Amino acid sequence: GAVVSQHPSWVICKSGTSVKIECRSLDFQATTMFWYRQFPKQSLMLMATSNEGSKATYEQGVEKDKFLINHASLTLSTLTVTSAHPEDSSFYICSAGQPNEKLFFGSGTQLSVL
Amino acid sequence: DAKTTQPPSMDCAEGRAANLPCNHSTISGNEYVYWYRQIHSQGPQYIIHGLKNNETNEMASLIITEDRKSSTLILPHATLRDTAVYYCIVMENYGQNFVFGPGTRLSVLP
Repeated sequence: GAVVSQHPSWVICKSGTSVKIECRSLDFQATTMFWYRQFPKQSLMLMATSNEGSKATYEQGVEKDKFLINHASLTLSTLTVTSAHPEDSSFYICSAGQPNEKLFFGSGTQLSVL
Repeated sequence: DAKTTQPPSMDCAEGRAANLPCNHSTISGNEYVYWYRQIHSQGPQYIIHGLKNNETNEMASLIITEDRKSSTLILPHATLRDTAVYYCIVMENYGQNFVFGPGTRLSVLP
């Protein structure tokens, strides 16, 4: 079945640095991918919709200059957390699916900002 | 906001059936009921989905009431590895913009 791969699984960085997270669709093309964040013991919150070849659509309250999304190909979307701060520490998850098929989720990336 | 309500937590004995309820009283005619689960520190995993007929696959069964205002996910023989948070989501068929509620934290006990 379709698989979504996310990398890295975890990352630790210093405050003020930027971190890039990759989301790949392994055996299908995804014109749309989704990025979520999840704080401990809370549910997933949609951050943005990544659209291949065009600008991402951000949910209300999500800073687009803080969370840069690039969807340059049909199999890869990247989320860059710029100038990360400790409050950005969270579990980040991507999802994708083929049209008229169920949605698959990546394994998630645990970001810890020191 | 999520269109579903679920109990925050449930316990189930290993080997017994786990029945997880979900209320979706405002579901519209073209919306399906999806179930996903999330094991700790992993991404959500698809379980099953349905429109109005009961559905069964290798993982679970989905029972949807005739008025479609509620449903039950059944894990027929729960194992310790089924301990997870279970999310019930209503969405147009194969829609992708999922809105997650808090889900039900199922604990399977030995």
